[in-house]
This record gives sequence, structure tokens and C-alpha cells, in this order.
Amino acid sequence: KNEVEQSPQNLTAQEGEFITINCSYSVGISALHWLQQHPGGGIVSLFMLSSGKKKHGRLIATINIQEKHSSLHITASHPRDSAVYICAVTPNTGNQFYFGTGTSLTVIP
Amino acid sequence: DTAVSQTPKYLVTQMGNDKSIKCEQNLGHDTMYWYKQDSKKFLKIMFSYNNKELIINETVPNRFSPKSPDKAHLNLHINSLELGDSAVYFCASSQVAGLDTQYFGPGTRLTVL
Repeated sequence: KNEVEQSPQNLTAQEGEFITINCSYSVGISALHWLQQHPGGGIVSLFMLSSGKKKHGRLIATINIQEKHSSLHITASHPRDSAVYICAVTPNTGNQFYFGTGTSLTVIP
Repeated sequence: DTAVSQTPKYLVTQMGNDKSIKCEQNLGHDTMYWYKQDSKKFLKIMFSYNNKELIINETVPNRFSPKSPDKAHLNLHINSLELGDSAVYFCASSQVAGLDTQYFGPGTRLTVL
């Protein structure tokens, strides 16, 4: 069983829709990361958070440490948001990373 | 200026060969990582170095050997390549191990024939 689970696995949305991607984890963590992998393969780090909420443009990431759950929201989605979104955690037991299997998002014009 | 660069971008080779992938970062970060992304797009950490010292060494065959000549470089050498080594390998760096934003290289697609 993977330490990090993401849902949904695949998501198709119409342009302009509000999107939510969920991440649940089973270990105590020091930090949680959201990554974006573009169709061309490049990976970009979107957020690193250990509590509360962070916002960058149309992207919002939240985390609930007690529930071991994080969400990534995209407001007013756009076709250029089409990518794979990956959740990863740094456990508080040491230097390590556990990755989710990713959520493939397609935004249709 | 490219923050994290990898060479080569593509590598096609025969089974049994030895190959190296190079990674360089110009961000002044202390920590560098190697990740493997398999055909199902699942990312897994392989190694992490902090100031040239190995801090993460996952269950990776000992045919894989990382080398960090200085904190700006982390190279990956693979001996006796096998079909199952075919994957995309990503290098990344961050200032603090695990607790900071990571910057990824463009990836190296390795194909073993």
C-alpha cells in the first residue's frame, strides 16, 4: 500500500471550472509538496506546506495535519493547466520522500 | 540560465553497457536528488546528497552509483544496464533536504535495448 494516495486518478474539466485534487497520506510528515508535470515531461514544484493554506495565482493548496489530508484547488481552470499533479510528503522520521501516483488533469476549451 | 541541467536528455544503449548521467545546479543549493520515473509515471527517490554527503540511499541495485564531486554536481553512473532500467531519470536540488522547494532538471530518458 502506498503511503500517499491521490484522487481522482484522472480528471477532465471544462475551461473555467473549479477543480479539486485530493491527497491523503498515512505517515507523520514534516512537509507536503505539490508538483506539476507538464505534458512535455518537465516537473515544477508548486507548493510546499506544513500547515494551513497557500495561494499562488489561481492555485490554492490546503493541508489538514490532523486528518492527514491535503487538497489542491485550481480556480477558473484553463487548458494550460492540463498536466499531471503529484503529491509528495517528507515524513518526519527522516530524509525520505513518498510520492502519490499523480492526477492527470485535462482541461477542455 | 538553466537552474538544474542534466545531460544527456536522451540515452539509448544496449543491455550490459555502463552509462553515466550528469547533473549540475547553479542555485547554490546544498541538497541534490536523483529520482526515477517508471513507465507508469510513478516517481521514486533513489539518492539524496547534502553537501556531497549521501543522506538517502533507497533500495536501489548497487549497479547504480551516485557521485558528487562538489555540491553543485551529482552524477549517476549505472553499470551493467538491464531492460528494467529503462525510465526517465530526474535530478533535482533544494536548499534544505526535504523541507524546501525542489527544482527539477528536464529529465534523461534512458532506453535499454
